[in-house]
Amino acid sequence: GAVVSQHPSWVICKSGTSVKIECRSLDFQATTMFWYRQFPKQSLMLMATSNEGSKATYEQGVEKDKFLINHASLTLSTLTVTSAHPEDSSFYICSAVGGSDSTDTQYFGPGTRLTVL
Amino acid sequence: DQQVKQNSPSLSVQEGRISILNCDYTNSMFDYFLWYKKYPAEGPTFLISISSIKDKNEDGRFTVFLNKSAKHLSLHIVPSQPGDSAVYFCAASGPYNTDKLIFGTGTRLQVFP
Repeated sequence: GAVVSQHPSWVICKSGTSVKIECRSLDFQATTMFWYRQFPKQSLMLMATSNEGSKATYEQGVEKDKFLINHASLTLSTLTVTSAHPEDSSFYICSAVGGSDSTDTQYFGPGTRLTVL
Repeated sequence: DQQVKQNSPSLSVQEGRISILNCDYTNSMFDYFLWYKKYPAEGPTFLISISSIKDKNEDGRFTVFLNKSAKHLSLHIVPSQPGDSAVYFCAASGPYNTDKLIFGTGTRLQVFP
C-alpha cells in the first residue's frame, strides 16, 4: 500500500514559538492531502484540505492564519502552527490520496504529537 | 452535529469469538464507507471499505456490512485476536477520493485471552 510519513513524530516547544510539521507521500504523488487533529478520546477532526499548488481549504472554526498549510509539491505538505499555545497541544495527523490505488482510500501518516509548554 | 456515530465507546471480546463494531450515519449523500484501526500515538491504518452499491465486503477475518435503508454499517472480526485490540474508527465520504472523510468517535476494542 501507499506510504505516508510525518516529521517530526513528536515535538515539544515553548508557548509563542512556531512549529512546522511535514507530511510526505513516499511512493506516490498526492494530489490532495488532509490535515487532522485528534484530542484525547475524541474523533479525528479535519482541519484543512490541501491541494498541490493551490491554497488550502480550511474547515469552519480553524484559524488559517494560525495553522499555515503549504502543499508545494505532489509529495510534500507542511503544517505550521504559528505562535503555539498550550491549547494547541494535540496529535496532528495527515493523510494523502492520489496513488495508483483505484479505491477512495486516504492513507494516513503516523502522526505528530505536539506539546506546547 | 455528528454525522457519523459510533455509540459504543468500548467493546470487550474473548479471543476466538466474533467482534462486532457498529456505526450509524445521518447523511444520505455518503456513498463510501471505511474502517480504520488506530493504536495509541499512531496514525490510523486502513482496514476495509465498502461502496454504497454493495451491502457486504469481506477481506480475510474482516467483513463490513452496509444497510443503506437503516444508514448503518458494521465491522465483523472473526476470529478476534489479542492483536486486534485497538480503537476502530468508521468513516464516510462522498464519491470522489478527494472528498473529506467524516469520522465517528471510535470504539475501543479489547480482545482478552
